[in-house]
Amino acid sequence: AQTVTQSQPEMSVQEAETVTLSCTYDTSESDYYLFWYKQPPSRQMILVIRQEAYKQQNATENRFSVNFQKAAKSFSLKISDSQLGDAAMYFCAFGTDKLIFGTGTRLQVFP
Amino acid sequence: DAGVIQSPRHEVTEMGQEVTLRCKPISGHNSLFWYRQTMMRGLELLIYFNNNVPIDDSGMPEDRFSAKMPNASFSTLKIQPSEPRDSAVYFCASSFLGAAGDEQFFGPGTRLTVL
Repeated sequence: AQTVTQSQPEMSVQEAETVTLSCTYDTSESDYYLFWYKQPPSRQMILVIRQEAYKQQNATENRFSVNFQKAAKSFSLKISDSQLGDAAMYFCAFGTDKLIFGTGTRLQVFP
Repeated sequence: DAGVIQSPRHEVTEMGQEVTLRCKPISGHNSLFWYRQTMMRGLELLIYFNNNVPIDDSGMPEDRFSAKMPNASFSTLKIQPSEPRDSAVYFCASSFLGAAGDEQFFGPGTRLTVL
């Protein structure tokens, strides 16, 4: 069975700084996807970024990028130039035909 | 597009009562997912459908839970009888194909409180 672990329950960052959220996973699958979802206080889940396991190049979406280490089964999210609107819960998820979510990291952004 | 629509947004009921949560997926999406989010267990998949057919219901906690998708634009999650431990936020999500890399679009969730 697949598992997803987010070892940082809470993180904080100052506005305009960079922060990295950690995620590790365990699977015997070779073909899968990894995701980061954001859940702001409105509780709406929003996709931040997606990585295909067979692609070695790390995905980027504007200020968001990932560091995907397949052998280490690690998938961290880097947020550059943090903004107040980035404050939210961030969930890492492992995906085949369905998603398995980690327990989340609460990110606070200070002005 | 209005996105995934869930109703009601909040539901408060008493133990033993039947609860029905409703979901309208994004038009054209072929897969629908029901999740439950609690502080203790996080976000867990309950059941998902492809083309209105239940594919995996291994996450449904007990026989008290049932889900249906009578057509491509509507799904229900029913709890009968409800118990206080069912209190949670229930999310519905849809995706175009249900394939591994598809983005799942989530609804706003229904916060259920069972007294």
